[in-house]
Amino acid sequence: QKEVEQNSGPLSVPEGAIASLNCTYSDRVSQSFFWYRQYSGKSPELIMSIYSNGDKEDGRFTAQLNKASQYVSLLIRDSQPSDSATYLCAVMKGSNYKLTFGKGTLLTVNP
Amino acid sequence: EPEVTQTPSHQVTQMGQEVILRCVPISNHLYFYWYRQILGQKVEFLVSFYNNEISEKSEIFDDQFSVERPDGSNFTLKIRSTKLEDSAMYFCASTPDRDYGYTFGSGTRLTVV
Repeated sequence: QKEVEQNSGPLSVPEGAIASLNCTYSDRVSQSFFWYRQYSGKSPELIMSIYSNGDKEDGRFTAQLNKASQYVSLLIRDSQPSDSATYLCAVMKGSNYKLTFGKGTLLTVNP
Repeated sequence: EPEVTQTPSHQVTQMGQEVILRCVPISNHLYFYWYRQILGQKVEFLVSFYNNEISEKSEIFDDQFSVERPDGSNFTLKIRSTKLEDSAMYFCASTPDRDYGYTFGSGTRLTVV
């Protein structure tokens, strides 16, 4: 079983719609959870972090965590063409704060 | 905003040659990492570095790889004898602690021919 799993997509949504990205992880001792955005040929850019069960909102982004189900999601409201990118789910564990990444979901927002 | 700086942005090398990838992490960060991403694949952990020593390394990080922090600011990744399969984007990252996530550098694209 892969440590961090994401649907690779592509996920295509119209401009202004809500994009929903999902991630599951296998190790229950995982401590912290992150969403990164990666444009083609660029480095990952941190969007959101979440540590406790429930929702966390930051502008147009909402991260949701359910540790019992080992599930993390990211909602993007009012999607814009500039949101078109690959979204990486990352899980942190251990005293070295090592991040393990999923393969990412490619999101395309159509004007 | 502070950034992680990586040089060079692109390096082409012949198989069997040694390369050194350089990184300047954010100055007050304590934990440093190297990751790589082969084209079309996921971002993979190579090594973590804390308190001037390797704290964890992956199976990928074999004897051909080494890391150093020679002068308290630069953080380097050396690949001793490059192979074709080492061609990838290499990212340096740093963090002050777990609550902040990582800040990634812009990456070095390594092409082994």
